[in-house]
Amino acid sequence: EVQLVESGGGLVQPGRSLKLSCAASGFTFSNYYMAWVRQAPKKGLEWVATISTSGSRTYYPDSVKGRFTISRDNAKSSLYLQMNSLKSEDTATYYCARQPGLDYWGQGVMVTVSS
Amino acid sequence: DIQMTQSPASLSASLGETVSIECLASEDIYNNLAWYQQKPGKSPQLLIYYASSLQDGVPSRFSGSGSGTQYSLKINSLESEDAATYFCLQDSEYPFTFGSGTKLEIK
Repeated sequence: EVQLVESGGGLVQPGRSLKLSCAASGFTFSNYYMAWVRQAPKKGLEWVATISTSGSRTYYPDSVKGRFTISRDNAKSSLYLQMNSLKSEDTATYYCARQPGLDYWGQGVMVTVSS
Repeated sequence: DIQMTQSPASLSASLGETVSIECLASEDIYNNLAWYQQKPGKSPQLLIYYASSLQDGVPSRFSGSGSGTQYSLKINSLESEDAATYFCLQDSEYPFTFGSGTKLEIK
C-alpha cells in the first residue's frame, strides 16, 4: 500500500525557515518524480515543487522560486522541502504527492507563518 | 503559465442526477488533465488522469472527456458520498496549475 507521511510543520515567524519531510513507503521511491502541493486555508490547490528521480532536476513556480528547495534521499525513501524567507502567504497545508498524475497524496502538514 | 478556468464554482444536484464540471485551459494541454475529489479535512484523491482514464478503485459513474483546451468531468447517478470539492489539474508543462474548484452539494 502506498503511503506518504508528512512531518515538520508548525508555527514560524515571517522571515524564518522551516523544513518539511515526507516519508514514503509501499512503492519504489527512487523510480518516481515527487512533488509538493499546498492549500491555503479555505482556498484552492497550488503546486509548489517537483523533483526528478535522481534529484538532478527541480521545478518551482515563481511564487516560491529562490526561497524553497525540494530535495530527496532515495536511500531513505524521503522527500524534503526547505522553506526559507517565509511569508504570511505561505501559510497552508502542505502535501507531498507522487508523480505522474499526483496519484497518491499524504495527509498533509500545516504550516502557519505569523508573528 | 497555463491558466485553468473551472466552472461552475458550485453546484447543487439531487441523488441519482448527472452533473458535469468543466475546465478550460488557456492553451492546448494535449490531454494532460487530471481530476481530483477532496472532502473536508482530507487530502485530494485522484479520479481521472490523462483526461479520460479512470484511476483504480474509482467508481465507474465518474468519467472524463475532452481534448485540446476543453475538458469535463461527468458524474452519473449521484450518491451522497459524492458531496465534495472537485479540482482539475494540468500537468502538461511546468508550472502545473489547478482549476479553482467546484463545490458539489447533494440535495
